[in-house]
Amino acid sequence: NAGVMQNPRHLVRRRGQEARLRCSPMKGHSHVYWYRQLPEEGLKFMVYLQKENIIDESGMPKERFSAEFPKEGPSILRIQQVVRGDSAAYFCASSPLAFSGSLYEQYFGPGTRLTVT
Amino acid sequence: KQEVTQIPAALSVPEGENLVLNCSFTDSAIYNLQWFRQDPGKGLTSLLLIQSSQREQTSGRLNASLDKSSGRSTLYIAASQPGDSATYLCAVMGNNNDMRFGAGTRLTVKP
Repeated sequence: NAGVMQNPRHLVRRRGQEARLRCSPMKGHSHVYWYRQLPEEGLKFMVYLQKENIIDESGMPKERFSAEFPKEGPSILRIQQVVRGDSAAYFCASSPLAFSGSLYEQYFGPGTRLTVT
Repeated sequence: KQEVTQIPAALSVPEGENLVLNCSFTDSAIYNLQWFRQDPGKGLTSLLLIQSSQREQTSGRLNASLDKSSGRSTLYIAASQPGDSATYLCAVMGNNNDMRFGAGTRLTVKP
C-alpha cells in the first residue's frame, strides 16, 4: 500500500506565476489535509477536504490560495500569483475517516518544496 | 485557540544519553496527540500516537506520555544514537479534527 504521494517534490516559480501542488492520498483514504511549513517555523494547518467538499479552510490565506479534492484524481493546492513569502514546504496528509473508532491518525506525504524567485 | 509549545527549541547530547523532549498545549480538549520526526528536507514520520484516554505509548526506545489535564506531553528517548538526530514535532488533534503543531525540537546526538 503506497503512502501519501505528493508531486512535484520541488517546484520553482517566478513571482506572479501559478503553483499547483498535487497530493494523492493513501488508498482507501477519503480525507485530505494540507499544511504549510515556513522556514524555521512549525507546520500550520491550511485546509481539510473530503471528496468534492471543503470541510475546514480556516488556515487558508484569504486570497490567491485555493484547494480542491475532486471525485477522481488527486487533491490540488493552487497558489495564484505567487510571491516570495509563499516559499515554504507544503505537506499533505490523509486519513481513512475523520474519526475511525479510537485509531484516527493522519499519514503525511514527503512534501513539496516551493521556491519563489 | 489551541497553541502548542515545544521546549527546548534545540538540544545537543552525547551518544548514549537518555533525554526528554517537552510539549505543552493550551486547550486540554484534545482528541489525540502525535509525535513526529522530521529529517532535513524530508517529510514527517509518525513516531507515536496517544489517544486522549491514554497516558502513554511506547515504541522501542521511545516513550511518550500525556497529561491532558495539565496540557503536557513528553517524549522520552532512551540510549540516544546519532541516527536519532532530527527535528521532533508534537501535534495535537482537536475535537473538530484540526491538528496544531509545535515549532519542534531540533535534536543533535553527537558520536
